[in-house]
Amino acid sequence: AQSVTQLGSHVSVSEGALVLLRCNYSSSVPPYLFWYVQYPNQGLQLLLKYTTGATLVKGINGFEAEFKKSETSFHLTKPSAHMSDAAEYFCAVSGGAGNKLTFGGGTRVLVKP
Amino acid sequence: EAGVAQSPRYKIIEKRQSVAFWCNPISGHATLYWYQQILGQGPKLLIQFQNNGVVDDSQLPKDRFSAERLKGVDSTLKIQPAKLEDSAVYLCASSPSVGGNTIYFGEGSWLTVV
Repeated sequence: AQSVTQLGSHVSVSEGALVLLRCNYSSSVPPYLFWYVQYPNQGLQLLLKYTTGATLVKGINGFEAEFKKSETSFHLTKPSAHMSDAAEYFCAVSGGAGNKLTFGGGTRVLVKP
Repeated sequence: EAGVAQSPRYKIIEKRQSVAFWCNPISGHATLYWYQQILGQGPKLLIQFQNNGVVDDSQLPKDRFSAERLKGVDSTLKIQPAKLEDSAVYLCASSPSVGGNTIYFGEGSWLTVV
């Protein structure tokens, strides 16, 4: 069984400030980890994913995430927030047979000018 | 490359009525998923198909929800009769195969039950 916990349902950052979204997972098998972004009235868009190999993963729009097995974490960061980063972000885990994604509850990011 | 197509985008129905959503996955993708996303929550898997066979439907409320993928390509999700708590976005997604490959999502079908 797998589960994902995203700490903080809402995050507010100033434009230009660091964005840090926290994600912890539970998995009985080696996990594949994903971050998706959802803009208003749209579907989910993949930001980045970790499957195997390098634990620091770079994605689109300047985002990156680091897989830390010892901490069962996959936190998402961006050094400098932009107004266009305002959206909802979902962390997800998959693993084993089937490849289905289990999502966290999401974190809504507000960017202040 | 065309993405995952869904229709209708928006639907408003009264409780106890029925509704159907259609999904056409990315060409060549063997795996198709239907997720339900209630406002303020993360998506929850309803059903997963591999070609035209069901891999996982453990969270599908089978007394009112049904889904099919008859020819292993497009899929239909039906709700009958609808309840107020079915108000949600129904996301269709597809992926090439199992094992950590990216799952691509459509824009969703927004259902409001009144």
